[in-house]
Amino acid sequence: DTEVTQTPKHLVMGMTNKKSLKCEQHMGHRAMYWYKQKAKKPPELMFVYSYEKLSINESVPSRFSPECPNSSLLNLHLHALQPEDSALYLCASSQGLQVPWYGYTFGSGTRLTVV
Amino acid sequence: AQTVTQSQPEMSVQEAETVTLSCTYDTSESDYYLFWYKQPPSRQMILVIRQEAYKQQNATENRFSVNFQKAAKSFSLKISDSQLGDAAMYFCAYRSEGTPLVFGKGTRLSVIA
Repeated sequence: DTEVTQTPKHLVMGMTNKKSLKCEQHMGHRAMYWYKQKAKKPPELMFVYSYEKLSINESVPSRFSPECPNSSLLNLHLHALQPEDSALYLCASSQGLQVPWYGYTFGSGTRLTVV
Repeated sequence: AQTVTQSQPEMSVQEAETVTLSCTYDTSESDYYLFWYKQPPSRQMILVIRQEAYKQQNATENRFSVNFQKAAKSFSLKISDSQLGDAAMYFCAYRSEGTPLVFGKGTRLSVIA
């Protein structure tokens, strides 16, 4: 299995809703990442988990809450989002922060719309 | 801090022709890795090609090749025999040990039939 699977592919939520994005990989990768991508822009790093520990905590609003239940799963919990949070959310994995040669494997993303 | 610059927001190429996308970067590291990612309208980021800074030989993957100039901190991507399926956003990216990927702003490539 050489894929990163993200669910759901599309999500529409109200500003008072609570939802979660899910990401899964079975390549034995030990680093997983959440990115936010606006249209025609590069991905912006939100969170990094390395060996299931949050190793880089970006200045991301607290309405985004990451969770890494185990080395194969990564969740992003969403609460009280704003319309400007509408974007493509990409999950990626890699062998580890100390193994830069292999780059990342990306999922196909969740298109989030906040209404 | 490392930075990656792509100075061409948009490029176009005729089908079957060759196009070169530019990328420059800034770093104080001596060992690092450079990547080109493709993002088609389907959204998924796909690794096209990668280059290790210590290797002088330019990487090649089928129709894709790079021109890596370490002293100039330049890493351009050449696409030969362009196909309609090559139309996408292309991101240049940098990574060194212990750090996440750093992306450039991207170049949108159109392929004209």
